[in-house]
Amino acid sequence: SQTIHQWPATLVQPVGSPLSLECTVEGTSNPNLYWYRQAAGRGLQLLFYSVGIGQISSEVPQNLSASRPQDRQFILSSKKLLLSDSGFYLCAWSGRRGEQFFGPGTRLTVL
Amino acid sequence: AQSVTQPDIHITVSEGASLELRCNYSYGATPYLFWYVQSPGQGLQLLLKYFSGDTLVQGIKGFEAEFKRSQSSFNLRKPSVHWSDAAEYFCAVAALDDYKLSFGAGTTVTVRA
Repeated sequence: SQTIHQWPATLVQPVGSPLSLECTVEGTSNPNLYWYRQAAGRGLQLLFYSVGIGQISSEVPQNLSASRPQDRQFILSSKKLLLSDSGFYLCAWSGRRGEQFFGPGTRLTVL
Repeated sequence: AQSVTQPDIHITVSEGASLELRCNYSYGATPYLFWYVQSPGQGLQLLLKYFSGDTLVQGIKGFEAEFKRSQSSFNLRKPSVHWSDAAEYFCAVAALDDYKLSFGAGTTVTVRA
């Protein structure tokens, strides 16, 4: 069966520091991968998606970037965090008909 | 582009009572439809999905949803809620040729004893 991992689970970072969040998927090959952000009390905002290694599509302009160095690894990064980057970050992979399966999430607090 | 509306921001229901969460979508053809549940601090869990065929879809945890093309709706129902059903529920839609999901803003369900 497929599983999706995210780490770290929680992170507290100062403004201006770098960020690296990692997501890995097991039990499937060539998945579509997604990064979402969920601000407090808000819905889900799609940040990036990837249909293959090295292929990244950005949905909104922002302070973040994404990379897919391996088939089942998706990384969310920032060179300098802003206060507005705080939120709950979710990684997901999609099946053959578009249903997405989510990881446990990373709670990021920027101080 | 497709979009989803969940008209109810917050619903309070008594334990043992029935629950219905509304979802309306906008899309030119028959979309793929999904309901997800999120407990506080957790990721989203897929409750059920509709692709085609029978318009009444059964999901996990005793939930069901009915696709009504004429009303562009995909409402979620549960006959008898349990305290553990307190969570946030998201409806989502995907176009047939696009693997991106559009999510509604979510409905928070509170269950009172």
